[in-house]
Amino acid sequence: EVKLVESGGGLVQPGGSLRLSCAASGFTVSSKYMTWVRQAPGRGLEWVSVIYSGGAIYYADSVKGRFTISRDDSQNMLYLQMNNLRAEDTALYYCAIEEVGATFRMDVWGQGTTVIVSS
Amino acid sequence: DIQMTQSPSSLSASVGDRVTITCRATQTITYYLNWYQHKPGKAPNLLIYGASTLQSGVPSRFSGSGYGTEFTLTISSLQPEDFATYYCQQTYISPRTFGQGTTVDIK
Repeated sequence: EVKLVESGGGLVQPGGSLRLSCAASGFTVSSKYMTWVRQAPGRGLEWVSVIYSGGAIYYADSVKGRFTISRDDSQNMLYLQMNNLRAEDTALYYCAIEEVGATFRMDVWGQGTTVIVSS
Repeated sequence: DIQMTQSPSSLSASVGDRVTITCRATQTITYYLNWYQHKPGKAPNLLIYGASTLQSGVPSRFSGSGYGTEFTLTISSLQPEDFATYYCQQTYISPRTFGQGTTVDIK
């Protein structure tokens, strides 16, 4: 069974750092496009970042320069290192597989981990 | 970056109603358009990909159409379990972007 489980969320002060993890099972992260998506309280879904199977990486403008996506192929894990956190980064963070075919779509999602940035 | 705009932002409908949601892109995305359903406390659920292809396991009352910059999601006969928020998303280029969402609630 293909499964994603996020962890690492919590309460952090503005300016602080946090690393989110996404444990994958049933497939290898290195073979997929892996993404992070977030939802702030009362807001819609916001795409955050993607790492392609070939290693290319992209970020939303709102997190560029502060967040770093990475993966550990040996552990079959996806990560999101978040630095210089702001109140507006408070959100439920999901990892998801972006399936590649004739088009691209996110068809497997984790349940999410919550990040709260507050003093 | 490509901006996605959905309309309406919310709508009230009754069970059995036909519901249509529109999504517009600021530049052509050909058919690289997905629709997701999102309910509180759950992960988003892929409904439609490639603008019109129904994801496996999704009821046939859901359908999608469009190409280029204008797209629609239609629910032919709204069911109680369909009350949720719906998002379009473009995957034509990165950064990927979502629409702001359309909340469908009970009239």
